[in-house]
Formats: sequence, C-alpha cells, structure tokens
Amino acid sequence: DAGVTQSPTHLIKTRGQQVTLRCSPKSGHDTVSWYQQALGQGPQFIFQYYEEEERQRGNFPDRFSGHQFPNYSSELNVNALLLGDSALYLCASSQQGGSSYNEQFFGPGTRLTVL
Amino acid sequence: AQRVTQPEKLLSVFKGAPVELKCNYSYSGSPELFWYVQYSRQRLQLLLRHISRESIKGFTADLNKGETSFHLKKPFAQEEDSAMYYCALNPGGYQKVTFGTGTKLQVIP
Repeated sequence: DAGVTQSPTHLIKTRGQQVTLRCSPKSGHDTVSWYQQALGQGPQFIFQYYEEEERQRGNFPDRFSGHQFPNYSSELNVNALLLGDSALYLCASSQQGGSSYNEQFFGPGTRLTVL
Repeated sequence: AQRVTQPEKLLSVFKGAPVELKCNYSYSGSPELFWYVQYSRQRLQLLLRHISRESIKGFTADLNKGETSFHLKKPFAQEEDSAMYYCALNPGGYQKVTFGTGTKLQVIP
C-alpha cells in the first residue's frame, strides 16, 4: 500500500487561473480531508469529504471546492487563483468510525505556486 | 473558535537533555488533543493523542484542562528526535482539526 498519494507534486499557475489537485486515500479509508499549509504555518483545514459529500468546512471562500468519487479519491479545485493561494496542499485520509477521532494519514502534498 | 498556540518556533537542546515542547489551546468544550511530527523529507504523521495516554518514542503529553495546555515532553533527547512538531486539536465528532504553527526541535549532538 503506497498510502495516501497526491498529484501533481508541484504546480505553477498565474493569477486568475483555476487548478485541480488530486488525492487517492490509503487503502481501506473512506474519508478525505484537505489542508492548506502556507510557509511557516501549520496546516489549515479546508474541508472534509465522506460518502461523496462535503461534511465539514473550514474558513475558506467558495473559490475552494472539492469532490469525492465513488472510489473515495478526491479532488480539490481552486478558482480565480490569488497570490495568497500559494501553499502546500495536503490531503489526509481516515476510516470513518462513529464520532471518535480516527487517525488521519497524510499525503506528501502538492506545492502550488501562483505567479 | 478553537485555537492552538505553540509559542516557540525553534527549540534547540543538547543530546541527552530534557525536552519540553509547549502547546496551549483555547476551546470551550472538551477537545481531543494530538501531537503530529514531521521528520525531514517525510510526511506528517501522528505521534500521540491524549486519550491513549501512552508513551511513543519516549515522548509523553499530559492534558491539563485547568491551564489548557498539552505540552510534549521527553526526558532525554536523541538526535533522531530532530523534526517539526505540531500540536493539534479536534473539537470532537468529525475531524475539523486545528493545528498550531509548529515547533522545530533541533537536537545538538
């Protein structure tokens, strides 16, 4: 099991463009969360997907949207890119189990640079 | 709103010295607290969580609800402990986790 995989590794875009980032969860996991990590900061929660629905959302504008597919993989879309969107985007997967916290396994991240 | 504060960006200690990485949180309820670690060129990974009350790689962390703290401690630092450490909080239920800004631990040989 390769664990959580993300693609692409690096991405360079210009302001105003749109970007799609992809994530495949760890085998057996059905829940995917996305985080944005700016330089020198901790990861910031964007949203979480479970059963193809957005279940929780952090304090991010509607320019950030996502999708989860029947095979549990997920996409993060960002529209109208701003310079401030430059960051490492992390995907984390977990196995849903009641209301308790289940360990999240993180991917290597996608480094997005907006010029 | 929940918040996690890690006051030190960098903590340098000598090998064999005790380590304490500070974490304070603000949340009105009873959250779950965690420590995550990221070694050089590796992924972010869970180190320990307060409800398990276990020692991982010699590290322990005690949740102090009165002081709203969850400091990470190790009696004798090892060179392989050098890494970035993040304190994190889950308010409960679904995993809307809040991370601190992280502390880089540098163990000097």
